[in-house]
Amino acid sequence: DTEVTQTPKHLVMGMTNKKSLKCEQHMGHRAMYWYKQKAKKPPELMFVYSYEKLSINESVPSRFSPECPNSSLLNLHLHALQPEDSALYLCASSPPSGRAAKNIQYFGAGTRLSVL
Amino acid sequence: GQNIDQPTEMTATEGAIVQINCTYQTSGFNGLFWYQQHAGEAPTFLSYNVLDGLEEKGRFSSFLSRSKGYSYLLLKELQMKDSASYLCAVREEDTSGTYKYIFGTGTRLKVLA
Repeated sequence: DTEVTQTPKHLVMGMTNKKSLKCEQHMGHRAMYWYKQKAKKPPELMFVYSYEKLSINESVPSRFSPECPNSSLLNLHLHALQPEDSALYLCASSPPSGRAAKNIQYFGAGTRLSVL
Repeated sequence: GQNIDQPTEMTATEGAIVQINCTYQTSGFNGLFWYQQHAGEAPTFLSYNVLDGLEEKGRFSSFLSRSKGYSYLLLKELQMKDSASYLCAVREEDTSGTYKYIFGTGTRLKVLA
């Protein structure tokens, strides 16, 4: 099983709404990632969790708030977003550094977010 | 700064061979990955290099030269379903031991009948 599951697949929200994106994996991976991807652009790293602790925050605005409740789940809480935040939000997971020679990063199918 | 460059678009014919180049300048290096991404879908892993040389995997091969900061992905016997974006990503390990993946600009490949 190399599946990373993201919900919802699509989300439309207003600028005053609060919503959450969810990501789940059962591969025993201890590193989980949030990326933002605009059309025809590569994924841009937002956050990395390693062993359920926030390890990397790529200077993401505070209207995006990540949470890792346990080793299988990763959430991204959204509040007071702007229209320019509309994008595909991708979750990924990988074994932690030092484990497994190839240490491949697996991606979920993404949540397509539209902010009106 | 970090820089990972790829050609923006390429076009090739079904059955042909195409080479997609990637040049990188990053502060650290712990491996280079190639991903395929169809429009609106998640990136899927294709190939990985950490040492110099060629890695072959069916119709796909990837090459790495660390001294030149250069990699390429070679796709043989092109099929229509290979029309997609191809992403080169460099993996770094930060001081906390966390892996971080930096993606290149991506190459949109169009395969024509």
